[in-house]
Amino acid sequence: EAQVTQNPRYLITVTGKKLTVTCSQNMNHEYMSWYRQDPGLGLRQIYYSMNVEVTDKGDVPEGYKVSRKEKRNFPLILESPSPNQTSLYFCASRATGLTNEKLFFGSGTQLSVL
Amino acid sequence: GDSVTQMEGPVTLSEEAFLTINCTYTATGYPSLFWYVQYPGEGLQLLLKATKADDKGSNKGFEATYRKETTSFHLEKGSVQVSDSAVYFCALSGWKTSGSRLTFGEGTQLTVNP
Repeated sequence: EAQVTQNPRYLITVTGKKLTVTCSQNMNHEYMSWYRQDPGLGLRQIYYSMNVEVTDKGDVPEGYKVSRKEKRNFPLILESPSPNQTSLYFCASRATGLTNEKLFFGSGTQLSVL
Repeated sequence: GDSVTQMEGPVTLSEEAFLTINCTYTATGYPSLFWYVQYPGEGLQLLLKATKADDKGSNKGFEATYRKETTSFHLEKGSVQVSDSAVYFCALSGWKTSGSRLTFGEGTQLTVNP
């Protein structure tokens, strides 16, 4: 089954404790992206990757890091989480080549930073 | 830059009522337009799309027409069901960015009562 898998589904942590949210897709997609969803703001892009070893900032990259060492994986790293990073996070992927290809989303990671 | 504006929610309807969720956009060039739906506890799924002016996207009884003259892409359904309760996001993919990102609206929460 084609899918994007995120882990964990829920995460509670404390300020400053490094964490990683994993994302994996099994569709051989070149493009992957991270979004955060906040009430009244919709989804905002954090980082995206057009292919292996190619990453770029989205609209709200501050406080986040990503890496793309393999095509299927695109982890999101919070080196020193802060309470304003409490949010619902989504990983997404799609094939490249056309701007109208649909995004496949993971089920989300609800992060709370205390 | 590109932006998407959706009608404010939440929207509450009775079963079999007519649904309209307004969406307008600002973009240069010729963006592709999308509606995504998010059911409770899940990631976003593509509902429908339109890639050029006057195109009509449709799926599961939902429709939206790409109106370049009014920069709009309103979502409609003639008779909603309880199972349509979800959050609906309008989005655009700007052609100049070669599909590197989707720009989302704020989302509209729809609740359909029996």
